[in-house]
Amino acid sequence: DAMVIQNPRYQVTQFGKPVTLSCSQTLNHNVMYWYQQKSSQAPKLLFHYYDKDFNNEADTPDNFQSRRPNTSFCFLDIRSPGLGDAAMYLCATSRRQGADTQYFGPGTRLTVL
Amino acid sequence: AQSVTQLGSHVSVSEGALVLLRCNYSSSVPPYLFWYVQYPNQGLQLLLKYTSAATLVKGINGFEAEFKKSETSFHLTKPSAHMSDAAEYFCAVSETNAGGTSYGKLTFGQGTILTVHP
Repeated sequence: DAMVIQNPRYQVTQFGKPVTLSCSQTLNHNVMYWYQQKSSQAPKLLFHYYDKDFNNEADTPDNFQSRRPNTSFCFLDIRSPGLGDAAMYLCATSRRQGADTQYFGPGTRLTVL
Repeated sequence: AQSVTQLGSHVSVSEGALVLLRCNYSSSVPPYLFWYVQYPNQGLQLLLKYTSAATLVKGINGFEAEFKKSETSFHLTKPSAHMSDAAEYFCAVSETNAGGTSYGKLTFGQGTILTVHP
Protein backbone atom coordinates (compact mmCIF):
# COMPACT_ATOMS: atom_id res chain seq x y z
CA ASP A 1 0.00 0.00 0.00
CA ALA A 2 1.16 3.50 -0.76
CA MET A 3 2.00 5.25 2.45
CA VAL A 4 4.08 7.64 4.52
CA ILE A 5 6.72 5.95 6.64
CA GLN A 6 8.61 7.46 9.53
CA ASN A 7 11.69 6.02 11.16
CA PRO A 8 12.31 5.49 13.92
CA ARG A 9 8.96 5.49 15.70
CA TYR A 10 10.68 6.31 18.98
CA GLN A 11 13.94 8.20 19.32
CA VAL A 12 15.84 8.99 22.49
CA THR A 13 18.66 11.49 22.41
CA GLN A 14 20.71 13.44 24.87
CA PHE A 15 20.53 17.15 25.46
CA GLY A 16 22.60 18.85 22.77
CA LYS A 17 23.27 15.70 20.74
CA PRO A 18 22.24 16.09 17.08
CA VAL A 19 19.46 13.83 15.89
CA THR A 20 17.93 13.07 12.49
CA LEU A 21 14.40 11.87 11.87
CA SER A 22 13.47 10.23 8.62
CA CYS A 23 10.36 10.26 6.45
CA SER A 24 9.73 8.41 3.23
CA GLN A 25 6.71 8.17 0.97
CA THR A 26 5.55 5.87 -1.77
CA LEU A 27 2.78 8.22 -2.92
CA ASN A 28 5.04 10.18 -5.28
CA HIS A 29 3.68 13.40 -3.85
CA ASN A 30 5.31 16.72 -4.60
CA VAL A 31 4.89 18.27 -1.18
CA MET A 32 6.30 17.06 2.12
CA TYR A 33 5.64 18.67 5.50
CA TRP A 34 7.11 18.42 8.99
CA TYR A 35 4.89 19.16 11.98
CA GLN A 36 5.82 19.28 15.66
CA GLN A 37 3.20 18.12 18.15
CA LYS A 38 3.97 18.62 21.82
CA SER A 39 2.09 16.74 24.47
CA SER A 40 -1.61 17.60 24.55
CA GLN A 41 -1.17 20.26 21.88
CA ALA A 42 -2.12 20.65 18.24
CA PRO A 43 0.39 19.89 15.49
CA LYS A 44 2.36 22.93 14.39
CA LEU A 45 3.95 23.25 10.97
CA LEU A 46 7.74 23.65 11.03
CA PHE A 47 8.44 23.74 7.29
CA HIS A 48 7.56 22.12 4.01
CA TYR A 49 9.07 21.30 0.65
CA TYR A 50 7.26 21.84 -2.61
CA ASP A 51 9.38 19.65 -4.83
CA LYS A 52 12.85 21.03 -4.06
CA ASP A 53 11.67 24.41 -2.85
CA PHE A 54 12.09 24.75 0.89
CA ASN A 55 9.58 26.84 2.84
CA ASN A 56 10.39 27.62 6.44
CA GLU A 57 7.75 28.90 8.86
CA ALA A 58 8.72 32.24 10.35
CA ASP A 59 8.70 31.00 13.93
CA THR A 60 10.60 27.74 13.37
CA PRO A 61 13.79 27.82 15.45
CA ASP A 62 17.12 27.77 13.62
CA ASN A 63 17.90 24.60 15.53
CA PHE A 64 15.61 22.76 13.11
CA GLN A 65 16.77 22.00 9.59
CA SER A 66 15.45 19.80 6.82
CA ARG A 67 16.76 18.02 3.75
CA ARG A 68 14.97 16.48 0.84
CA PRO A 69 17.46 14.58 -1.32
CA ASN A 70 14.80 13.19 -3.64
CA THR A 71 11.02 12.97 -4.06
CA SER A 72 10.65 10.03 -1.72
CA PHE A 73 12.70 11.08 1.30
CA CYS A 74 12.73 13.99 3.68
CA PHE A 75 14.79 14.41 6.84
CA LEU A 76 14.37 16.55 9.92
CA ASP A 77 17.65 17.48 11.61
CA ILE A 78 17.70 18.91 15.11
CA ARG A 79 21.16 20.32 15.60
CA SER A 80 21.20 20.70 19.38
CA PRO A 81 18.08 19.27 20.96
CA GLY A 82 16.83 20.90 24.11
CA LEU A 83 14.37 19.54 26.63
CA GLY A 84 11.70 21.69 25.03
CA ASP A 85 12.11 19.85 21.73
CA ALA A 86 10.68 16.64 23.13
CA ALA A 87 7.59 16.04 21.04
CA MET A 88 5.94 13.89 18.39
CA TYR A 89 7.23 14.82 14.94
CA LEU A 90 4.78 14.18 12.14
CA CYS A 91 5.62 13.99 8.47
CA ALA A 92 2.89 14.55 5.91
CA THR A 93 2.65 14.63 2.15
CA SER A 94 0.26 16.05 -0.41
CA ARG A 95 0.14 15.78 -4.16
CA ARG A 96 0.12 19.54 -4.67
CA GLN A 97 0.25 22.65 -2.60
CA GLY A 98 -3.05 24.18 -1.68
CA ALA A 99 -5.97 22.47 -0.07
CA ASP A 100 -4.99 18.98 -1.17
CA THR A 101 -5.42 16.29 1.42
CA GLN A 102 -2.34 15.78 3.54
CA TYR A 103 -1.43 12.20 4.34
CA PHE A 104 0.34 11.73 7.64
CA GLY A 105 2.88 9.22 8.77
CA PRO A 106 2.64 7.55 12.20
CA GLY A 107 5.08 10.03 13.75
CA THR A 108 8.35 9.80 15.62
CA ARG A 109 8.24 10.43 19.34
CA LEU A 110 11.41 12.20 20.42
CA THR A 111 12.61 12.06 24.01
CA VAL A 112 15.44 14.34 25.13
CA LEU A 113 17.33 13.30 28.25
CA ALA B 1 -4.45 34.63 9.25
CA GLN B 2 -7.11 31.99 9.54
CA SER B 3 -7.74 30.09 12.75
CA VAL B 4 -10.06 27.48 14.22
CA THR B 5 -11.39 27.08 17.72
CA GLN B 6 -12.63 23.79 19.07
CA LEU B 7 -15.11 24.12 21.89
CA GLY B 8 -14.62 21.46 24.52
CA SER B 9 -11.30 19.73 25.02
CA HIS B 10 -13.10 16.59 26.19
CA VAL B 11 -16.41 15.12 25.08
CA SER B 12 -17.89 11.97 26.57
CA VAL B 13 -20.80 10.04 25.05
CA SER B 14 -22.42 6.67 25.49
CA GLU B 15 -22.13 4.03 22.80
CA GLY B 16 -24.96 4.57 20.33
CA ALA B 17 -25.43 8.23 21.23
CA LEU B 18 -25.00 11.21 18.95
CA VAL B 19 -21.48 12.59 18.61
CA LEU B 20 -21.15 16.37 18.21
CA LEU B 21 -17.72 17.98 18.13
CA ARG B 22 -17.68 21.73 17.69
CA CYS B 23 -15.39 23.80 15.52
CA ASN B 24 -15.61 27.49 14.69
CA TYR B 25 -13.35 29.20 12.21
CA SER B 26 -12.10 32.69 11.65
CA SER B 27 -11.37 33.70 8.09
CA SER B 28 -11.88 36.74 5.92
CA VAL B 29 -11.93 34.58 2.78
CA PRO B 30 -13.77 31.32 2.06
CA PRO B 31 -11.86 28.74 4.05
CA TYR B 32 -10.79 25.20 3.36
CA LEU B 33 -11.67 23.17 6.44
CA PHE B 34 -10.69 19.70 7.57
CA TRP B 35 -11.39 17.22 10.32
CA TYR B 36 -8.65 14.77 11.27
CA VAL B 37 -8.68 11.94 13.81
CA GLN B 38 -5.66 10.82 15.83
CA TYR B 39 -5.47 7.55 17.73
CA PRO B 40 -2.89 7.26 20.54
CA ASN B 41 0.70 7.31 19.31
CA GLN B 42 -0.37 7.47 15.69
CA GLY B 43 -0.44 10.05 12.95
CA LEU B 44 -3.49 11.94 11.78
CA GLN B 45 -6.08 10.48 9.45
CA LEU B 46 -8.38 12.62 7.36
CA LEU B 47 -12.06 12.22 8.18
CA LEU B 48 -13.44 14.79 5.74
CA LYS B 49 -12.79 18.16 4.17
CA TYR B 50 -14.73 21.17 2.93
CA THR B 51 -13.48 22.92 -0.17
CA SER B 52 -16.42 25.17 -1.07
CA ALA B 53 -18.51 22.55 -2.82
CA ALA B 54 -21.46 21.03 -0.93
CA THR B 55 -21.94 22.48 2.54
CA LEU B 56 -22.75 19.08 4.02
CA VAL B 57 -19.66 16.94 3.78
CA LYS B 58 -19.70 13.21 4.36
CA GLY B 59 -16.56 11.48 5.54
CA ILE B 60 -15.30 8.12 6.57
CA ASN B 61 -16.59 5.98 9.45
CA GLY B 62 -20.04 7.58 9.33
CA PHE B 63 -18.91 11.10 10.21
CA GLU B 64 -20.19 14.21 8.53
CA ALA B 65 -19.80 17.95 8.98
CA GLU B 66 -21.82 20.94 7.87
CA PHE B 67 -20.27 24.22 6.81
CA LYS B 68 -22.36 27.12 8.09
CA LYS B 69 -21.04 30.46 6.92
CA SER B 70 -23.54 32.46 8.97
CA GLU B 71 -22.30 30.77 12.14
CA THR B 72 -18.66 30.40 11.01
CA SER B 73 -18.93 26.80 12.11
CA PHE B 74 -17.90 23.38 10.84
CA HIS B 75 -19.16 20.97 13.49
CA LEU B 76 -18.49 17.25 13.21
CA THR B 77 -21.31 14.79 13.87
CA LYS B 78 -21.98 11.09 13.89
CA PRO B 79 -25.48 9.73 14.59
CA SER B 80 -24.37 6.74 16.67
CA ALA B 81 -21.07 6.51 18.52
CA HIS B 82 -19.03 3.35 18.49
CA MET B 83 -16.34 2.34 20.94
CA SER B 84 -13.78 2.51 18.14
CA ASP B 85 -14.53 6.23 17.71
CA ALA B 86 -12.65 7.02 20.92
CA ALA B 87 -9.74 9.20 19.82
CA GLU B 88 -8.64 12.81 19.54
CA TYR B 89 -10.21 14.90 16.82
CA PHE B 90 -8.67 17.97 15.25
CA CYS B 91 -10.35 20.63 13.18
CA ALA B 92 -8.00 22.43 10.81
CA VAL B 93 -8.03 25.27 8.31
CA SER B 94 -5.79 25.54 5.29
CA GLU B 95 -4.21 28.97 5.21
CA THR B 96 -5.19 31.01 2.17
CA ASN B 97 -4.11 34.34 0.80
CA ALA B 98 -6.40 37.25 0.07
CA GLY B 99 -7.17 35.77 -3.32
CA GLY B 100 -8.36 32.55 -1.73
CA THR B 101 -5.39 30.46 -2.85
CA SER B 102 -4.17 27.96 -0.31
CA TYR B 103 -0.50 27.18 0.02
CA GLY B 104 -1.05 24.07 2.09
CA LYS B 105 -0.26 25.11 5.64
CA LEU B 106 -2.74 23.55 8.05
CA THR B 107 -3.55 25.40 11.25
CA PHE B 108 -5.10 23.06 13.77
CA GLY B 109 -7.47 23.61 16.63
CA GLN B 110 -6.48 22.43 20.09
CA GLY B 111 -8.20 19.09 19.66
CA THR B 112 -11.13 17.34 21.32
CA ILE B 113 -10.70 14.02 23.04
CA LEU B 114 -13.75 11.83 22.51
CA THR B 115 -14.49 9.17 25.09
CA VAL B 116 -17.15 6.55 24.38
CA HIS B 117 -18.71 4.71 27.31
CA PRO B 118 -20.28 1.26 26.96
